Amino acid sequence: EAGVVQSPRYKIIEKKQPVAFWCNPISGHNTLYWYLQNLGQGPELLIRYENEEAVDDSQLPKDRFSAERLKGVDSTLKIQPAELGDSAVYLCASSSPSLGQAFFGQGTRLTVV
Amino acid sequence: DQQVKQNSPSLSVQEGRISILNCDYTNSMFDYFLWYKKYPAEGPTFLISISSIKDKNEDGRFTVFLNKSAKHLSLHIVPSQPGDSAVYFCAASAGQLTFGSGTQLTVLP
Repeated sequence: EAGVVQSPRYKIIEKKQPVAFWCNPISGHNTLYWYLQNLGQGPELLIRYENEEAVDDSQLPKDRFSAERLKGVDSTLKIQPAELGDSAVYLCASSSPSLGQAFFGQGTRLTVV
Repeated sequence: DQQVKQNSPSLSVQEGRISILNCDYTNSMFDYFLWYKKYPAEGPTFLISISSIKDKNEDGRFTVFLNKSAKHLSLHIVPSQPGDSAVYFCAASAGQLTFGSGTQLTVLP
């Protein structure tokens, strides 16, 4: 069974430019998460989807970040415009109601220069 | 305000000995606790979990202990192996996961 797939793995952009990350969750997983992980820290939740509905986006900086999960499967996370402080690893995870744990993708390492 | 704390950023253990990783939490609504393991350039992978109705869960070399009165959990790895060297994250759930900051475990051959 394929795991959570994220792309790209690495991205380097100049500040003020837009950037987008893509996530394909494990088949059948209704819940999808986007996490932000800074160096030396644990993952911090940005947004959680149940199917296509964003049920918790309280930690998403809505002035520059947006996310969507059309059709309740794949998801994209966008930053526009990117700032130097956005440099981090962006992790996508998915789970289903019968599972207690979330399964993570490999992450996208973003560097803003 | 960190609800899940891992106060030891790093731990070194000799191969074959026991590794003990600790985690404290503050939110009494947490009812499910997990440990994740992370290698460089990879996402976290689930290791072991425990429900708040239990105080111990064992899976092979890995055992998680939960002390609800102290709001403390720990992960024991015995015997430790060099392949166990990774960052270990404690996580707690009251519907969604809240992570600690991680402990870098190094198992020395």
